Amino acid sequence: AQSVTQLDSHVSVSEGTPVLLRCNYSSSYSPSLFWYVQHPNKGLQLLLKYTSAATLVKGINGFEAEFKKSETSFHLTKPSAHMSDAAEYFCVVRRTSGTYKYIFGTGTRLKVLA
Amino acid sequence: DTEVTQTPKHLVMGMTNKKSLKCEQHMGHRAMYWYKQKAKKPPELMFVYSYEKLSINESVPSRFSPECPNSSLLNLHLHALQPEDSALYLCASSQGRVVHYGYTFGSGTRLTVV
Repeated sequence: AQSVTQLDSHVSVSEGTPVLLRCNYSSSYSPSLFWYVQHPNKGLQLLLKYTSAATLVKGINGFEAEFKKSETSFHLTKPSAHMSDAAEYFCVVRRTSGTYKYIFGTGTRLKVLA
Repeated sequence: DTEVTQTPKHLVMGMTNKKSLKCEQHMGHRAMYWYKQKAKKPPELMFVYSYEKLSINESVPSRFSPECPNSSLLNLHLHALQPEDSALYLCASSQGRVVHYGYTFGSGTRLTVV
């Protein structure tokens, strides 16, 4: 069975400092992994996805994530936080037993301090 | 057009009312989804339509009734809702059955049941 764990429910960083949002997954098969961002009262926007191509995935707005099979991790990073990055971030794994289903992590709230 | 459009953005309804949520996309996506999101929680899958046919119903109460009139439109008909049904309702679409392309989400309808 697939599952995803976001290790931090809240992360605070200062503007201009690096961002690290942690995600660990469990999957019996080669997973498809995603990061989504949700700004307050908005829908979810796809930041990036891993689908068994390059292990370092670059996304929008300067975000990237590295798939590490040995650590079963897919952490999201950004070199320099911007105030507009303050939002909720969801790590998502696609189920392999039902092609339609996503399994969402519980989310990480990123706060960016001026 | 790379958007999923949801209307209305906000809806307040009484427990005896009948209302409908609308979702529209013109990206040629053949899979469409309804999700329910409570505050500070990840989205929960409600329904999946594939090629205009209902594929998945996640044991959603019958007071929620989905409809897919054509490949671009998805409706969610609401009747006799309860206050606990108050939530953000998100529509999403994807390129057919292969979900590893990722979803495109709408901005949601904020529903309040009084």
